[in-house]
Amino acid sequence: GAVVSQHPSWVICKSGTSVKIECRSLDFQATTMFWYRQFPKQSLMLMATSNEGSKATYEQGVEKDKFLINHASLTLSTLTVTSAHPEDSSFYICSASPRGGGNTIYFGEGSWLTVV
Amino acid sequence: AQKVTQAQTEISVVEKEDVTLDCVYETRDTTYYLFWYKQPPSGELVFLIRRNSFDEQNEISGRYSWNFQKSTSSFNFTITASQVVDSAVYFCALSTDSWGKFQFGAGTQVVVTP
Repeated sequence: GAVVSQHPSWVICKSGTSVKIECRSLDFQATTMFWYRQFPKQSLMLMATSNEGSKATYEQGVEKDKFLINHASLTLSTLTVTSAHPEDSSFYICSASPRGGGNTIYFGEGSWLTVV
Repeated sequence: AQKVTQAQTEISVVEKEDVTLDCVYETRDTTYYLFWYKQPPSGELVFLIRRNSFDEQNEISGRYSWNFQKSTSSFNFTITASQVVDSAVYFCALSTDSWGKFQFGAGTQVVVTP
């Protein structure tokens, strides 16, 4: 079974609204999680590094006020797309590694966002 | 800066043919990790292999094999006797930390027809 779970798997929202995606580690604690975005027929691009108990680190070109990341516990990181627009429609996927690293990296199942 | 190049956008083969996917990477770090993932149409990433920079030994797992050559900064992946179920996008990825911060290649779409 999945050790990193994302919810929801699919979401459709209206333009201008906000949508929250959860990334949860089920069997381990993760001080660091990563969020990636993948547009259709493109590669996965790192958006941000989610750090438990502190602010997220965003990659260049990613708007931190638009993509709010909260990592309030050792097992949950959330990505909120605020004031979503059709161009935000994408596949969002998170990854996590057990506390202490160790190179075992788990990806969530991903979340398909469609903004209409 | 890290970079992963997958020059092949799409490869089409007939079932039972072998297919090799190329991956060339760039990094200045001496310690790094290379990965291959399979992404079916449903989207999830299926882990195939991880290699660290100190382990150049080639690996075979069933119909899959990997050729890691530091001299050419390549980590190529071969599917032997391809099957229709192998149809997917395959990503090569590079990480220079142990937490999973990846640099992905562009991906190669493999289409296997009966």
